[in-house]
Amino acid sequence: DTAVSQTPKYLVTQMGNDKSIKCEQNLGHDTMYWYKQDSKKFLKIMFSYNNKELIINETVPNRFSPKSPDKAHLNLHINSLELGDSAVYFCASSQDDRDHGYTFGSGTRLTVV
Amino acid sequence: SQKIEQNSEALNIQEGKTATLTCNYTNYSPAYLQWYRQDPGRGPVFLLLIRENEKEKRKERLKVTFDTTLKQSLFHITASQPADSATYLCALGSRNNDMRFGAGTRLTVKP
Repeated sequence: DTAVSQTPKYLVTQMGNDKSIKCEQNLGHDTMYWYKQDSKKFLKIMFSYNNKELIINETVPNRFSPKSPDKAHLNLHINSLELGDSAVYFCASSQDDRDHGYTFGSGTRLTVV
Repeated sequence: SQKIEQNSEALNIQEGKTATLTCNYTNYSPAYLQWYRQDPGRGPVFLLLIRENEKEKRKERLKVTFDTTLKQSLFHITASQPADSATYLCALGSRNNDMRFGAGTRLTVKP
């Protein structure tokens, strides 16, 4: 049973395209997140959702939009992809208490050509 | 600006020795600090959490210290094994649960 699953694992696409990455968690966690890990391995928060409400929204381009149809899903939609969007994107989830940390998915490697 | 620095990009040690990784931060007042392990091609895996009012936490061969005066956390792996080779990330959490990660230290344990 995969706790946090994201699809696809790899995504290669051309500049200007629109793409989505899906994420689902079966842990019953209250909050879900999207992180971007660049080539220097820094993990940067992009968004988080708690009970369908956006509670963190870092200064990411508005080409990126999170969509949460329910508590178990947080999808990431990206419009007009640019070369600089190439990175690994991680979905994560957590309980309101932080004692058990975040549970991460295995990542989606996005390559924009 | 807020900074989280992990001592070095890479650390090589001999099997059986204690690995010590450092996480320093500036312009930040974290309510808690977490350590994660990340293997190539995988997502980070949570290891330990330590709160601002705690000095030390242990879990099996792992020990974490947190010094809010020095603005530093130390992460120790005792009796290290080749299977401990991975990248270790520290993450600082604020009271509003905003969490920020360091760039990580890649640990290699040689047999």
